[in-house]
Amino acid sequence: GESVGLHLPTLSVQEGDNSIINCAYSNSASDYFIWYKQESGKGPQFIIDIRSNMDKRQGQRVTVLLNKTVKHLSLQIAATQPGDSAVYFCAEISGYSTLTFGKGTMLLVSP
Amino acid sequence: DSGVTQTPKHLITATGQRVTLRCSPRSGDLSVYWYQQSLDQGLQFLIHYYNGEERAKGNILERFSAQQFPDLHSELNLSSLELGDSALYFCASSVEASQETQYFGPGTRLLVL
Repeated sequence: GESVGLHLPTLSVQEGDNSIINCAYSNSASDYFIWYKQESGKGPQFIIDIRSNMDKRQGQRVTVLLNKTVKHLSLQIAATQPGDSAVYFCAEISGYSTLTFGKGTMLLVSP
Repeated sequence: DSGVTQTPKHLITATGQRVTLRCSPRSGDLSVYWYQQSLDQGLQFLIHYYNGEERAKGNILERFSAQQFPDLHSELNLSSLELGDSALYFCASSVEASQETQYFGPGTRLLVL
């Protein structure tokens, strides 16, 4: 079946570095993608989204890149801070289907 | 704070029992979604309600049921509980029925002993 997955389960970076979290999706009909951040003991928090008619979208310190050719999504976090330590999920949706989440990548930021 | 509230925060019960989890969506949101998060399964979509009506079902067991009330709050009922039902249960809400941009509550941690 269709699925969304992540390449790296854990990413360790130093404070101030740029972080890149990757996600592969298999449903070529997916037209909307979201990145969520989940801190320990909390619910997922919306970070940024992107539609399939775009290949890049920027937020505050975050950028999402979408490569539809290889069905790849990435989240870039600039000047990573200890407060960015969390599990990051990509999620995809096609039309009116349900939102499907990947298994998550843990980002660990060392001071 | 997403504006979505869930109660209780923690719940400990025994196998075979029944529990009810409650969710209040953000003000103005008509859609409520329920998810189960366990260590080995990640975030699994259970069910979606929009303005009181069921819109979509995911991997929800027959022992589980949900409803959305006229004031738009929702309840997830889990019955004949098994050890494997221990998980975090999240509620999310969104304005429309299209499932985009869902805002999550803090979750209910269920432990079945």
